[in-house]
Formats: sequence, structure tokens, C-alpha cells
Amino acid sequence: QKEVEQDPGPLSVPEGAIVSLNCTYSNSAFQYFMWYRQYSRKGPELLMYTYSSGNKEDGRFTAQVDKSSKYISLFIRDSQPSDSATYLCATNNQAGTALIFGKGTTLSVSS
Amino acid sequence: DTAVSQTPKYLVTQMGNDKSIKCEQNLGHDTMYWYKQDSKKFLKIMFSYNNKELIINETVPNRFSPKSPDKAHLNLHINSLELGDSAVYFCASSQARLASGGRWREQYFGPGTRLTVT
Repeated sequence: QKEVEQDPGPLSVPEGAIVSLNCTYSNSAFQYFMWYRQYSRKGPELLMYTYSSGNKEDGRFTAQVDKSSKYISLFIRDSQPSDSATYLCATNNQAGTALIFGKGTTLSVSS
Repeated sequence: DTAVSQTPKYLVTQMGNDKSIKCEQNLGHDTMYWYKQDSKKFLKIMFSYNNKELIINETVPNRFSPKSPDKAHLNLHINSLELGDSAVYFCASSQARLASGGRWREQYFGPGTRLTVT
């Protein structure tokens, strides 16, 4: 089983839709969970991170971690065409020396 | 000013050649990384350096050799290039280790080097 699993999509939604992106992870020792956004032909950039369980909100974005089910979610409200990108979930390895990424979900928001 | 820069941006070369990719960060970070992103966009750690010392070396062929001349630079040298080495290589940096003392450290990525081996 891969350490972080993510449905690669692609996911296509109309502008204004609520988007839900999800990942599962295998190791209950993982503590920090991140969402990176990667535009085409660019490097990933950190969107949000959470520590342990709970929700974190930043504008139209909400990150959620459920440690009991080892489930990570990112919700995007009122999605915009500029949100079209690949979204990568990640966690840090136990030694805290590297990130472990999911395969990324490609999102397309049409106007 | 670009925080993490890589050169070259594109690299097309033939099998068997040796090539290098350079990375520089001007963020004053202690830790630098090399990641490989394959054609399916899967991003995987290759190496990590902290203050010029190798701290992680994932299962990577020994044809790949990282070199850190100073804290701000981490280069990647690849010998005897193979078709399977074609990918996008990303350099990244963070202040200290990713999760130090219970604190998360943000990781900043460069723009990537798209390597094509023919």
C-alpha cells in the first residue's frame, strides 16, 4: 500500500462549484498534512497545512484531517478558472526529513 | 527575486551522456532537496541536504550524485543518462528539517528542470 493515496482525476467542474479533493494515508504516525498546488509547468507551492486532526480555513479553501480514518480533504468553495491546477496532498516522513506526496489530482474549472 | 532557482529549465540530451542541474536558494534556508516528478506527475524525494550534509538518500541509482558546495546551492549530477531518467526534477528548500521540534517548516520549490533523454 502506498503511503499516501490520491485519486488522480481529472476532475472537471463549472465555475462556482464546490470542489472536494481527498487523500488517504497509511501511517498513523504522520502528523503534518499539506496541500500543494501546481500549475502547469511550474513548481508546487504550498496552499495550506494542518497539524494533527481538525479543520483549517483560508479564504475559499478549507483543509480537513480525520486521523481516525486517515483521511485528508481539501474543499474549494466558489471555484474559479484560476483554481485549475494539480493539487497534491503531502505529509512529512517520520524523521521529518522529506515530504511524501500523493499522485496529485488535476482540477479543471470551466467558466 | 526568485527564491529557489534552477538551471537549466530544459535539458535534452542523448542516452549515455553526463549532465548536471544546478539549484540555488536565496532564502537563507538550511535544508535543500531534490525531487523527481515522473510523467504521471508523481513527485518523489531523491535527496536531502542539511547544512551541506546528506541526510536522506532514497533508493536512487548511484548514477545520480548530489553535490552541495555551500548551504545555498545543491547541484545534481547524472552519469550515463538513460531513457527512464526523463522527468521533471525539482529542487526545494526549507528552514531546518521539515518537522523540527514539533514545528512544521514550509518547503519552497524551484520551477523545475525538464529533462528529456533521447
